[in-house]
Amino acid sequence: SVLTQPPSVSGAPGQRISISCSGGTSNIGTFGVNWYQSLPGTAPKLIMSRNNQRPSGVPARFSGSKSGTSASLAISGLLPDDEADYYCAAWDDTVKGHMVFGGGTTLTVL
Amino acid sequence: QVQLQQSGPGRVKSSETLSLTCSVSGVSISSTSYYWAWVRQSPGKGLEWIGNIYYNGITFNNPSLESRVTTSIDTSKHQFSLNLTSVTAADGGVYYCARQTLIKYSYGYVDFGLDVWGQGTTVTVSS
Repeated sequence: SVLTQPPSVSGAPGQRISISCSGGTSNIGTFGVNWYQSLPGTAPKLIMSRNNQRPSGVPARFSGSKSGTSASLAISGLLPDDEADYYCAAWDDTVKGHMVFGGGTTLTVL
Repeated sequence: QVQLQQSGPGRVKSSETLSLTCSVSGVSISSTSYYWAWVRQSPGKGLEWIGNIYYNGITFNNPSLESRVTTSIDTSKHQFSLNLTSVTAADGGVYYCARQTLIKYSYGYVDFGLDVWGQGTTVTVSS
């Protein structure tokens, strides 16, 4: 994937975890990043827009940041329901412009 | 309430064309604020953006699929569609349509995200 994420992260209930996403100047560095939560059998859900903007209904436990060509999604006060796959995504302006996803990170709540 | 309703066959024969349609309600498909996108997820794999289309027919496509992808839009029917030609087993998976907010700035396009999704269509490619 153009955007690099760790395959997995884990944390205990109540803890804070973060998921990294590394890209380049043609994507994250210039255009920012969005984050999606994916649960089995359901459509993905946008949980962070433009680096750090939470869409309506997303709990404040979710936060995002960007620095240079990398970004992070943090989840504090982990809940069992947070167990899911998380994907970063960004617009990439190479080859006429297209969207790219990271490879996804599986969050396990221990 | 914005809703996207997908339709189309769940089984396609290898080498043939996959065709899916997404019907939009609750928002004008001709809105200048949105692009209309397709995303897929193959079994055990991650999300893959296929492409999108604007109300006026402008499209952006995944470079790895562009030679096989055609997206179209029918504003009178409030629908947009995906055609993927010459499918193989690797094209099987769950296909989603989605609304994408993509804004053009002086330095390029900025993606604000895919915020409304269809229910997904599971596609099986048979030999």
